[in-house]
This record gives sequence, structure tokens and C-alpha cells, in this order.
Amino acid sequence: AQSVTQLGSHVSVSEGALVLLRCNYSSSVPPYLFWYVQYPNQGLQLLLKYTSAATLVKGINGFEAEFKKSETSFHLTKPSAHMSDAAEYFCAVSPTGGGNKLTFGTGTQLKVEL
Amino acid sequence: DAMVIQNPRYQVTQFGKPVTLSCSQTLNHNVMYWYQQKSSQAPKLLFHYYDKDFNNEADTPDNFQSRRPNTSFCFLDIRSPGLGDAAMYLCATSQGQEQETQYFGPGTRLLVL
Repeated sequence: AQSVTQLGSHVSVSEGALVLLRCNYSSSVPPYLFWYVQYPNQGLQLLLKYTSAATLVKGINGFEAEFKKSETSFHLTKPSAHMSDAAEYFCAVSPTGGGNKLTFGTGTQLKVEL
Repeated sequence: DAMVIQNPRYQVTQFGKPVTLSCSQTLNHNVMYWYQQKSSQAPKLLFHYYDKDFNNEADTPDNFQSRRPNTSFCFLDIRSPGLGDAAMYLCATSQGQEQETQYFGPGTRLLVL
């Protein structure tokens, strides 16, 4: 079964600093990969997704992620953190040829400090 | 705006008392999903409907049922809620094909007393 691992359940950065949230996937073939953000007491919102069209994917709110097959990674980055980026971030995987079911990682809580 | 709506946002029920959570969508998507998200955990897929076809996850307890009377609505029924069923329940929709984005509602937080 495919899965994703998010390293670091909590990440803290200063406002204006680089944001790096890590996600590694486990799959025999490259899957579809997603990053979602969840603000407190709200549903999940898609930030970006990898569907094999391009390895560097740009998303909303200045986030981007790079698919690296050799490292089985799909890390999320943002050059400059903003206070409004404080939220929980989930990496998710969906198998190719297996419908559209998502399996989520355990999430990373991002804290942005002044 | 097209969206996924969940009612109520907060639901309190008693141990063993049946409860129904509702989800509606204006996106006209053919797939609807129900996820359970316990505190500080990842969302976990319970089941989904592809049009009228119901697909249950292997580890979803029998206590959880679902109905989809039409394209727009989907219900989650918990027949006899236990304390362990307290969670956020998220509804999502998609067009169903691979790689299609799932659109989530705001969730219903269930409290079991």
C-alpha cells in the first residue's frame, strides 16, 4: 500500500524565513501527490498537486513543491513565511491506476513567530 | 460560489444515540467521500460514493453507514456512537477521475457525551 511520511509534527519559523515541510512517499511507481492546508476548525484546502506533468509544482499562497523520484520526496517550501501561514499541513498520496482515494500523512503544524 | 456544505458544524450526541451528519455540494461532482479526523491525527477515509456505487473501506466499523439519495447530498449515519467516535467528520467531493482534486467541506465536529 502507498503511504506518505511527514518528518516533524511541529515546525516553527520566524516571519520572513524560509518554510520547509518534508514529505516522503512510499510507492513502487510514482503516485499522485498533494499538499493540503487546514486552518483551525476548518476543512482542508488544496495547496498544490503533482500529477507527473512537471516536477516543480507551484501552488497557492506562494507555496511550491518539487517531486524528486530519486529521493521519493515531495517537500513543500515557501521563500518567506507570513503569520497567516500558521496552520496544519498534510501531504497526501493517491495511487496511479487506483481511483482517487487519498491517504494522508500525519500532518505538520506550522508555527510562525514574529 | 460552488462549494461543499456540512451541517451542522457542531453536533453533540449521547452515548448510543443515533446521529446523522449531512453534506451537500453545488459542484455537481460524481464522487463524495467521508473522512474521520480525530484530534491531532490525519483524516482517515471511511467510505465514498462513485455516483450511486457505495465503496466501504475495509476497516470502517459497521457502526458507520452512509446514504446518497441524489447527486447533491450525502449522509453519514452513526448507529450507536461510542466515546471513541468523537471526531471531526469531513465530507469531500471530486470528479472521480485519477488526480482530480478533492474539495472539502468545513467539517462537523461530533461530541459524544
